[in-house]
Amino acid sequence: EAGVTQFPSHSVIEKGQTVTLRCDPISGHDNLYWYRRVMGKEIKFLLHFVKESKQDESGMPNNRFLAERTGGTYSTLKVQPAELEDSGVYFCASSQLTGLIETQYFGPGTRLLVL
Amino acid sequence: AQKVTQAQTEISVVEKEDVTLDCVYETRDTTYYLFWYKQPPSGELVFLIRRNSFDEQNEISGRYSWNFQKSTSSFNFTITASQVVDSAVYFCALSGGNSGYALNFGKGTSLLVTP
Repeated sequence: EAGVTQFPSHSVIEKGQTVTLRCDPISGHDNLYWYRRVMGKEIKFLLHFVKESKQDESGMPNNRFLAERTGGTYSTLKVQPAELEDSGVYFCASSQLTGLIETQYFGPGTRLLVL
Repeated sequence: AQKVTQAQTEISVVEKEDVTLDCVYETRDTTYYLFWYKQPPSGELVFLIRRNSFDEQNEISGRYSWNFQKSTSSFNFTITASQVVDSAVYFCALSGGNSGYALNFGKGTSLLVTP
């Protein structure tokens, strides 16, 4: 069974540009999460999808970040316009939908560098 | 609010030594879940264990063991007879209760095992 996949693995962009990150969850996992680790800091929760709906977006830093999950399959996270402080590793995770807290399985992350 | 503290930033041991990684958590919830993840040099987060607050039984999996003590709010992780392949960053995380599904991570402990 394929794990969580993320694309691209690395992205280097200039301040003010737009970047879109993609996450494909484990097949059958209706829960999808985005996290971010900024250099030297903890891994921080950004948001949680249940199928195509945003269940919790309390961790989204500001309105430059837009997450979508059309059709309830893969998700995209767009940063527009990117700022220097957006640099970090963006992780996606997925879990089964059972009504309980299930284990989240993580993808390899996308390393974003904003210059 | 939930909080996870991993006081050990970096640990260095020689192969075959035992090593314990500490994790102390804070929560006002009575139902919660604790996790350990491993991040090897390749960067992905690998799930190791999940424990709910009602199950204080210690667990052993090969050279890995976990000691969950609600009385001290700790969920420590011990690697017995460490190996070079154990070198990684290890994260403790907490979810559940008012934080819902979101994982609250500690800052991680970087373990280096030298030959």
